[in-house]
Amino acid sequence: GNSVTQMEGPVTLSEEAFLTINCTYTATGYPSLFWYVQYPGEGLQLLLKATKADDKGSNKGFEATYRKETTSFHLEKGSVQVSDSAVYFCALKQGTYKYIFGTGTRLKVLA
Amino acid sequence: DSGVTQTPKHLITATGQRVTLRCSPRSGDLSVYWYQQSLDQGLQFLIQYYNGEERAKGNILERFSAQQFPDLHSELNLSSLELGDSALYFCASSGERTGQETQYFGPGTRLLVL
Repeated sequence: GNSVTQMEGPVTLSEEAFLTINCTYTATGYPSLFWYVQYPGEGLQLLLKATKADDKGSNKGFEATYRKETTSFHLEKGSVQVSDSAVYFCALKQGTYKYIFGTGTRLKVLA
Repeated sequence: DSGVTQTPKHLITATGQRVTLRCSPRSGDLSVYWYQQSLDQGLQFLIQYYNGEERAKGNILERFSAQQFPDLHSELNLSSLELGDSALYFCASSGERTGQETQYFGPGTRLLVL
């Protein structure tokens, strides 16, 4: 069946460091891929998405490219800030229903 | 503000009790999803409704049930509560057409079972 695997956290970085959070998926066909972010005490919110192979989603300095050949959707940011501290979830949606979320990766950015 | 509302925000109850969590989706969204988020198990998909009908089931216990009403709001009923049911319960909604796949999450209901 479909699944999403993301790197375990927590990830601790200094401010202005480069961020990569790995995400790989298993699915038949061409799912849509998402990154959601959950700030402390809040619900999840969409960070970026890509709906077809080679698409790049981007938002707030974060980027992720839909790589069909490696079934990956890694999240990157060139220079993290303390305010980026949150839990990041990779997710896929295939067909007309049922999202599958990864287990989440906690990011802590130190000043 | 995602446009999805959930009530109550916090709920404290005792083992063996029954509670109802309520969710109102974004205007125009026909799909509602329920998730449970606990410290040790991450985000678990429970169930999805589309326009009043159950569409997909995840790791939902038999003690839990849900429904979606004609006005599209949804309720999640948790009965015979156990300590392990303490968690954050999120509702999300989405559209169905291509380009409307984004899920919008509510702020969650924090349930504490004592």
